[in-house]
Amino acid sequence: EAGVVQSPRYKIIEKKQPVAFWCNPISGHNTLYWYLQNLGQGPELLIRYENEEAVDDSQLPKDRFSAERLKGVDSTLKIQPAELGDSAVYLCASSLGGADREGGQFFGPGTRLTVL
Amino acid sequence: GNSVTQMEGPVTLSEEAFLTINCTYTATGYPSLFWYVQYPGEGLQLLLKATKADDKGSNKGFEATYRKETTSFHLEKGSVQVSDSAVYFCALRAAGNKLTFGGGTRVLVKP
Repeated sequence: EAGVVQSPRYKIIEKKQPVAFWCNPISGHNTLYWYLQNLGQGPELLIRYENEEAVDDSQLPKDRFSAERLKGVDSTLKIQPAELGDSAVYLCASSLGGADREGGQFFGPGTRLTVL
Repeated sequence: GNSVTQMEGPVTLSEEAFLTINCTYTATGYPSLFWYVQYPGEGLQLLLKATKADDKGSNKGFEATYRKETTSFHLEKGSVQVSDSAVYFCALRAAGNKLTFGGGTRVLVKP
């Protein structure tokens, strides 16, 4: 069974440019998460989707970050414009959600963003 | 709010040594507790979990016991291998299915 797929794996851009990350969760997983991981720190939740609905986006900086999961499967996270401080690893995770509250979250390999 | 504190690394050990990584938490209610591992160049993988007090999670020779009285979930392994070199994250999940992670502990096992 394929795991969580993310692309690209690495991205280098100049500040003020836009950037987008893509995530395809494990088949059948209704819940999708985007996390931000700064160097030497643990991941921090940006947004959580239950199917196509964003049920927790309280930590998403909405002035420059946006996300969508239009058909309740894959998802895109966008930054526009990027700032130097956005350099980090962006992780996508998925889980069964719903009644499976005790199930774990499965993480993708992440996209490492460098803003110059 | 919820928070997780784990010992800072790096932790450097020789092969077959005993490993302990301390983790304590602050949370409202009764969270589930997790250990995730991140091998070089890979994503986080769930290592083990415990969902209620006194539960013991175990996997691949690693163990951790949910201690409500000390709000701790320390990770242990009796005999580490070079392949255990990774970054280990303690995490809790409270209401809303949201994971809160500690800062991670890098472990380096030398042959």
